Amino acid sequence: DQQVKQNSPSLSVQEGRISILNCDYTNSMFDYFLWYKKYPAEGPTFLISISSIKDKNEDGRFTVFLNKSAKHLSLHIVPSQPGDSAVYFCAATWGGGKLIFGQGTELSVKP
Amino acid sequence: DTEVTQTPKHLVMGMTNKKSLKCEQHMGHRAMYWYKQKAKKPPELMFVYSYEKLSINESVPSRFSPECPNSSLLNLHLHALQPEDSALYLCASSHAGTSGDEQFFGPGTRLTVL
Repeated sequence: DQQVKQNSPSLSVQEGRISILNCDYTNSMFDYFLWYKKYPAEGPTFLISISSIKDKNEDGRFTVFLNKSAKHLSLHIVPSQPGDSAVYFCAATWGGGKLIFGQGTELSVKP
Repeated sequence: DTEVTQTPKHLVMGMTNKKSLKCEQHMGHRAMYWYKQKAKKPPELMFVYSYEKLSINESVPSRFSPECPNSSLLNLHLHALQPEDSALYLCASSHAGTSGDEQFFGPGTRLTVL
C-alpha cells in the first residue's frame, strides 16, 4: 500500500517557467513532509520541508504547499533552471525519523 | 563538513561471500540510517540507529546485519545474499532522528550479487 504517491513519473518545463510537482498521501498521522532531489549516481539531497500544521513554506525559488483536507502537497519551483533537472521525491514522516518516499517525478527543464 | 561518505562505491559479490558496507559522518548527528533503492523505485528504509542503538528494523532478512560501532560510523554486514538483493544501498544521517529532521544522504554503494 503506497502511503505517499507521486502520480506523474515525468514532467518537462521550459527554462524560466514554473515547475509544479505534486504528491498525495493517505496517512493522516504524517507530521512532516519533505522534498528531496536526486541526480544520477548521487544520494538524495534535501530541498525543503513543511510541518503538517502549516500550509506553506518558502525557501528561495522553492515553495511547498500543503492541503491537509485533500491530503495533497505540491512543490513549486520558480523560475525553473536547467540545473533543476533531476528526480524529485516527496517524503513523509511521523513520530520519528522513518521517511516514506513517493515514487519520484523526473523533472526536465529545457533551455 | 556536511558530507556522508560511503565505501565502497561499487561492490560485486557472490552468494556465498561475506562483505561489509561502510558509512561515515562527522556532523555530530546521532541518528543514522540504511536505505535500499532498486532501479526506478524510491529508497526504502531498512534500519535506523538512534544514539548508537538500533531503533527501527523494517523486517529486513537476517542476511543483512547492521552495526553502529560509534556515533560517526555505520556498517552493513552482508552474508549469503541473493541476486534480488542487488540494489543501491544508501546511508543517511540526521541530527536526532526526530520527525522533520533533515536527513543527509551519502552517494550510495551499488551492490551486484551474482
